[in-house]
Amino acid sequence: DQQVKQNSPSLSVQEGRISILNCDYTNSMFDYFLWYKKYPAEGPTFLISISSIKDKNEDGRFTVFLNKSAKHLSLHIVPSQPGDSAVYFCAATYFGNEKLTFGTGTRLTIIP
Amino acid sequence: GAVVSQHPSRVICKSGTSVKIECRSLDFQATTMFWYRQFPKQSLMLMATSNEGSKATYEQGVEKDKFLINHASLTLSTLTVTSAHPEDSSFYICSARGFMGEAFFGQGTRLTVV
Repeated sequence: DQQVKQNSPSLSVQEGRISILNCDYTNSMFDYFLWYKKYPAEGPTFLISISSIKDKNEDGRFTVFLNKSAKHLSLHIVPSQPGDSAVYFCAATYFGNEKLTFGTGTRLTIIP
Repeated sequence: GAVVSQHPSRVICKSGTSVKIECRSLDFQATTMFWYRQFPKQSLMLMATSNEGSKATYEQGVEKDKFLINHASLTLSTLTVTSAHPEDSSFYICSARGFMGEAFFGQGTRLTVV
């Protein structure tokens, strides 16, 4: 039972354009969401998070949007840079639960 | 941000031997650490939750006797893959939760069993 889904396994975006990565979840208990970036043979790096009391959180080039009614969140990267090429995982959890549930990841490729 | 250090980054071992992987939180105390395994082109699969001073909690399907976890202190958790087989070859990653709830990950360990 995949509670966190990233339906696009890969995405290619031109350098300078906006990259939009999507994530859907099914568990209504989730109230905290995170995005991670991962390079091959390395551990994931935390990017940005959002609590369910918000619908938007911004940090530099990264913005995460949360639509609770649709159980959907997205990560916007603008402008996209070649160094953004990596696999992006969304993750979800809820208050009192220490575990994170990860999506399957989206491989983002930025085309110079 | 918080730093989690994992060692070694790569290890090759022979079938039947055991391998120990260390995970350290360098600038904060982590009462709980997590061990993940990642297969090629797949998501991170939680193997177990490591609790300082008590037994680890394993996810369904993970063999406790094969993947021994020890969380001896607030800054160190170890995963020992015992009697390793080629199918244990994988990328193993540890993480610890920070004060704001975000998880910080180690660099990962690429285990190859030959």
